[in-house]
Amino acid sequence: AQSVTQLDSQVPVFEEAPVELRCNYSSSVSVYLFWYVQYPNQGLQLLLKYLSGSTLVKGINGFEAEFNKSQTSFHLRKPSVHISDTAEYFCAVSDRTGANNLFFGTGTRLTVIP
Amino acid sequence: EAEVAQSPRYKITEKSQAVAFWCDPISGHATLYWYRQILGQGPELLVQFQDESVVDDSQLPKDRFSAERLKGVDSTLKIQPAELGDSAMYLCASSVTSGRTQANSYEQYFGPGTRLTVT
Repeated sequence: AQSVTQLDSQVPVFEEAPVELRCNYSSSVSVYLFWYVQYPNQGLQLLLKYLSGSTLVKGINGFEAEFNKSQTSFHLRKPSVHISDTAEYFCAVSDRTGANNLFFGTGTRLTVIP
Repeated sequence: EAEVAQSPRYKITEKSQAVAFWCDPISGHATLYWYRQILGQGPELLVQFQDESVVDDSQLPKDRFSAERLKGVDSTLKIQPAELGDSAMYLCASSVTSGRTQANSYEQYFGPGTRLTVT
C-alpha cells in the first residue's frame, strides 16, 4: 500500500515570494506522483505529474516539482507566488501496477499575503 | 474543454434519509471514480468502475452506500440511510482507462463535487 505525508498543513507566504510545499511518500512498489490544486468548493485540478524520465517536472501556473527517489519526496515549488495561488494543494501517489488508484495526502493550505 | 459533470453541487439532508449523487464523466473515458473528501482531509477512493464493472469497492461502506454505472457512461452514488458522519464533499473523476497501456491513463479529471451536509 501507498501513503503520502504532507508535512505542512498551512503555509503563509507573501506575494512574489518563493514557496515550497513538501510531500513525502511511502510505497513498496514504484509509483507515479501527482500534485493537484483545489480552490474553495471546487474539484481538483492537476498541476503536474511525474510518470518517468526527468525528475524535474514543470506544470501549469508556473509550478514545478522534483522527484527524489532516495528521499522518497516530491516537493512542489514556485519561484514567485500570486494572490490567485491561494488554495489547497494535494500530493498524490499511484502505483504502477495498473490499478490507477490515487492515494492523497491531507493537503497543504497555501495562503498568499498581499 | 470537456469536463466531468456532477449534480447537485450542494445537498442538505436529514439523517436517516436517502440521498443520491450523479456524475457524467468526460466522453470516452472508460474509468470512473467516486471519492469522499472529509473537511480538512484528502480525497479517499470509495469505488472505481471500468466501463460498467466495479474494479474496486473495498472502501465503500456497503451497508449504506451503493454505486452503479449501468451503461458504462454516467454513474450514481447513493446513501441510504444518511448519517451525520457522511457529511463531506463527494468527488467524481474519470480517466481514459486504467492499466499500463497509456501514460495518459494515469491522469484523472475531477468534477466540481457535491457538498453533502447531513443534519
